[in-house]
Amino acid sequence: DAGVIQSPRHEVTEMGQEVTLRCKPISGHNSLFWYRQTMMRGLELLIYFNNNVPIDDSGMPEDRFSAKMPNASFSTLKIQPSEPRDSAVYFCASTHGQGTSRTEAFFGQGTRLTVV
Amino acid sequence: AQSVAQPEDQVNVAEGNPLTVKCTYSVSGNPYLFWYVQYPNRGLQFLLKYITGDNLVKGSYGFEAEFNKSQTSFHLKKPSALVSDSALYFCAVRPGNDYKLSFGAGTTVTVRA
Repeated sequence: DAGVIQSPRHEVTEMGQEVTLRCKPISGHNSLFWYRQTMMRGLELLIYFNNNVPIDDSGMPEDRFSAKMPNASFSTLKIQPSEPRDSAVYFCASTHGQGTSRTEAFFGQGTRLTVV
Repeated sequence: AQSVAQPEDQVNVAEGNPLTVKCTYSVSGNPYLFWYVQYPNRGLQFLLKYITGDNLVKGSYGFEAEFNKSQTSFHLKKPSALVSDSALYFCAVRPGNDYKLSFGAGTTVTVRA
């Protein structure tokens, strides 16, 4: 398996522009997470899905952020409009989620977002 | 609410010495506990987990962790550290009946030759 795949790996955009981050979870996993990592705030859980349904989006910082999971093999995190303080590394992770045998989450390589 | 505390921002040890990275947690119900490692410019890699059973769990690269329910702790240990163990380590917790995975702030481990 190729693991969790995120694209793009790096994104530089101007303030005010729309940014879309993409994630392909591991096949067969039914839970998907979006995290943001910064030096100041560490790893923050933004939102997580189970069976393509958003379960908890309390970590989404503002209405400028939105996430979708139209099917089991694809998710997007959109920021519109982007601001310099959104600069961070954004990670996607997936897990099987059910039972006790396969509970660990697997992370993608992350998208480093820079908003100038 | 669930939370994870890693009380040490940094841990420095000499190669060959024991390594301990501390973690305490707060969660409703039975906890599922995890340790991850992150190397520079990389994603998080899973090291080990505690779900149920033996309180001492063994994982990748010679790491182990001990679950202590009374102290709500899950410290990561390695008997003899290597320079290549230098990285950022994260402890994480989720309730057994939910999927929400929360991470601690991370501990930077530096192993000097």
